[in-house]
Amino acid sequence: DQQVKQNSPSLSVQEGRISILNCDYTNSMFDYFLWYKKYPAEGPTFLISISSIKDKNEDGRFTVFLNKSAKHLSLHIVPSQPGDSAVYFCAASAGANFGNEKLTFGTGTRLTIIP
Amino acid sequence: GAGVSQSPSNKVTEKGKDVELRCDPISGHTALYWYRQSLGQGLEFLIYFQGNSAPDKSGLPSDRFSAERTGGSVSTLTIQRTQQEDSAVYLCASSLWGREETQYFGPGTRLLVL
Repeated sequence: DQQVKQNSPSLSVQEGRISILNCDYTNSMFDYFLWYKKYPAEGPTFLISISSIKDKNEDGRFTVFLNKSAKHLSLHIVPSQPGDSAVYFCAASAGANFGNEKLTFGTGTRLTIIP
Repeated sequence: GAGVSQSPSNKVTEKGKDVELRCDPISGHTALYWYRQSLGQGLEFLIYFQGNSAPDKSGLPSDRFSAERTGGSVSTLTIQRTQQEDSAVYLCASSLWGREETQYFGPGTRLLVL
């Protein structure tokens, strides 16, 4: 039962254009969402997060949007750069009990930026 | 400072053998997590240690899997009687304690069970 879904296994975007990565979740208890980026042979690195009390969080070129009613979030990267080529994982946690930090991950989307 | 380190980076073993995977978290991080990524899958939570509290073992797939964290620092994940389906990348992460503290991941141990 995949509670966090990334339905696009891959995405190619021209350098300088906007990259939009999508994520859907089914567990209504999730209230904190994150995006991680992973290069080959390395561990994932944290990119950006959003709490369910917000619908948008921005950090430089990266913006995450949350639509709670649709149980959907997206990551926008603009402008896209060649160094953004990586696998992007969406993750979520359910914080009903304080300290419950374990993350549920999606299967990832491989983003390729075309120079 | 140093990040999360894991050893070995690669491990090839025969079906039925036991393996031990090691994780050295970032100094001062009280929370430590183990995840695994099987081929074509997302990261799957295995176990979580927080300070001196009892670990959350809810993600361990079978009783062949166990983990320890000694002295609140280094952790070892042990897989007994390995099976081919145990082949995966095993990732360790650590963080400060708190709901929204960032989890920092190590590079992982790639396990192949023949």
